[in-house]
Amino acid sequence: AQRVTQPEKLLSVFKGAPVELKCNYSYSGSPELFWYVQYSRQRLQLLLRHISRESIKGFTADLNKGETSFHLKKPFAQEEDSAMYYCALELLASGAGSYQLTFGKGTKLSVIP
Amino acid sequence: EAGVTQFPSHSVIEKGQTVTLRCDPISGHDNLYWYRRVMGKEIKFLLHFVKESKQDESGMPNNRFLAERTGGTYSTLKVQPAELEDSGVYFCASSQSSSYNEQFFGPGTRLTVL
Repeated sequence: AQRVTQPEKLLSVFKGAPVELKCNYSYSGSPELFWYVQYSRQRLQLLLRHISRESIKGFTADLNKGETSFHLKKPFAQEEDSAMYYCALELLASGAGSYQLTFGKGTKLSVIP
Repeated sequence: EAGVTQFPSHSVIEKGQTVTLRCDPISGHDNLYWYRRVMGKEIKFLLHFVKESKQDESGMPNNRFLAERTGGTYSTLKVQPAELEDSGVYFCASSQSSSYNEQFFGPGTRLTVL
């Protein structure tokens, strides 16, 4: 069965330090992966998606099919990066023709001034 | 442009009562999704509407949950009767197309069953 694992519940880094939020997945098909972010008192929003191969707010994520990983990275953390980060896998529900998101449990990033 | 809205933002009910959650998607979005996060667990898919039709309801936990989307606009999710384990945050999301497309999330409804 498909699964998304985010091993760290909480990650604390100092401002200016590099950040890496880990995400591993298990899926027999061709994965489409996303990172969603939820800032304090805000709704869940898309940060970036694998298919776009873009950098958003300085964050990047590379799909490594060999290691089944999609880690989120930023070279220099900023205080405004503090938030909950969710890795998500989009999969096609067999027989239903429906694409749904499977989420990891999330990692809370805390950037210390 | 208004985003996805959900009502109420918070609901506290007693076990055995009925609660109805509402979601208004972004105008023009045919796809509407319901998700739920219970305490300590990940956000889980409940079901997916395309316009007024249920495309996939494989994530609905049991027959106490009923979702509707009359006219293909807003959607309701009714829990009847509510149980303690139904407590959590219920999210609604909408998108223009169903695949590889950004899902826009609402703020969620926090349901507490006492």
